[in-house]
Amino acid sequence: QKEVEQNSGPLSVPEGAIASLNCTYSDRGSQSFFWYRQYSGKSPELIMFIYSNGDKEDGRFTAQLNKASQYVSLLIRDSQPSDSATYLCAVNVRSQGNLIFGKGTKLSVKP
Amino acid sequence: GAVVSQHPSRVICKSGTSVKIECRSLDFQATTMFWYRQFPKKSLMLMATSNEGSKATYEQGVEKDKFLINHASLTLSTLTVTSAHPEDSSFYICSASRRTGSSYEQYFGPGTRLTVT
Repeated sequence: QKEVEQNSGPLSVPEGAIASLNCTYSDRGSQSFFWYRQYSGKSPELIMFIYSNGDKEDGRFTAQLNKASQYVSLLIRDSQPSDSATYLCAVNVRSQGNLIFGKGTKLSVKP
Repeated sequence: GAVVSQHPSRVICKSGTSVKIECRSLDFQATTMFWYRQFPKKSLMLMATSNEGSKATYEQGVEKDKFLINHASLTLSTLTVTSAHPEDSSFYICSASRRTGSSYEQYFGPGTRLTVT
């Protein structure tokens, strides 16, 4: 059973702080890793993807991948109240594009 | 990012009727599209994988005769909820897979909120 695990939260951080979201996956054959943001009542929005070990930065977001530890994380710097949402980690284990989703971590950024 | 549209965004129908939801990839071709449903405060649940030109692959527990999927072109997949009942009321979201090099990225439509009365 291929699994993607996330802490459901809620993770509460003050405005301006760094929010750290974590995800582990079970299948070592996983190839691509994605972070989606989902606001309440809306559909998920792709915000980051990472394919290689290491860090990938895009604006205030940094994705980190460690395939040896089967671990992927998302850092949000200078967190804003508008970052408050559920963050979904997703892993692609096959070439057809099907993703295995975690259950999501709810992030709350307090002003 | 890529753009995926869904229509309608909201629909209210009477019990026993059928509802068709369209999913379109607007700026890329998608050989594979996916249909999810999501209940309030719950996780996404994959219903089926829609492959252009072939039959959809349904997840365990999803009735293929109730949720009809047609993927007739590289930019359009449709989900028809047949003989809808109140328990089918949910948020239905499609996604389309776009190939990028050796990997695939999945982009979601805005979702369709179905209410069956």
